[in-house]
Amino acid sequence: DTAVSQTPKYLVTQMGNDKSIKCEQNLGHDTMYWYKQDSKKFLKIMFSYNNKELIINETVPNRFSPKSPDKAHLNLHINSLELGDSAVYFCASSQADLGVAFFGQGTRLTVV
Amino acid sequence: GENVEQHPSTLSVQEGDSAVIKCTYSDSASNYFPWYKQELGKGPQLIIDIRSNVGEKKDQRIAVTLNKTAKHFSLHITETQPEDSAVYFCAASRKGGGFKTIFGAGTRLFVKA
Repeated sequence: DTAVSQTPKYLVTQMGNDKSIKCEQNLGHDTMYWYKQDSKKFLKIMFSYNNKELIINETVPNRFSPKSPDKAHLNLHINSLELGDSAVYFCASSQADLGVAFFGQGTRLTVV
Repeated sequence: GENVEQHPSTLSVQEGDSAVIKCTYSDSASNYFPWYKQELGKGPQLIIDIRSNVGEKKDQRIAVTLNKTAKHFSLHITETQPEDSAVYFCAASRKGGGFKTIFGAGTRLFVKA
């Protein structure tokens, strides 16, 4: 059973398009995250949701909009994609007071 | 701002040798320090962690040490095996509505058979 699953695994799209990445966790955690990993493997947090409420928003462009319909899901919608958005995006979840994060397999986004 | 520095960026060892990765953090409020292993094409996976009330923790071939005064923490892998080859990330975290975690830049470990 996959603990944190995100789809799609690969996404190739043209500049200017709008795309979404979905994430679901079956661990019963109350906190979910989106991270961006660039070509140099640097991992940076983008957003964090606790009980469906946005709690961390790390200076991410407005073109990125997370949505959490319930505690088990955190989706990422990206408008007007740019070349610089190409990266691997990881979803993760944790129990807020414990901190241990479990990561999904990642979505490799390529903007051409 | 908060920062985590990780060294070395690349580490190559012979199978059976030990590997040590070191990190320093800047946020004195950090109280949780996880280590992640990332294999090619996969997401980071937690391998060991340590909280600020503990100075050392060991799990089989892996150990972590924490020096809160100096804001240093380290990962030690003994008797390395080829399957230990991966990218390792340290991180420093503090509770702030779900734990804000800052990652180091990663260490690419190569274990030569």
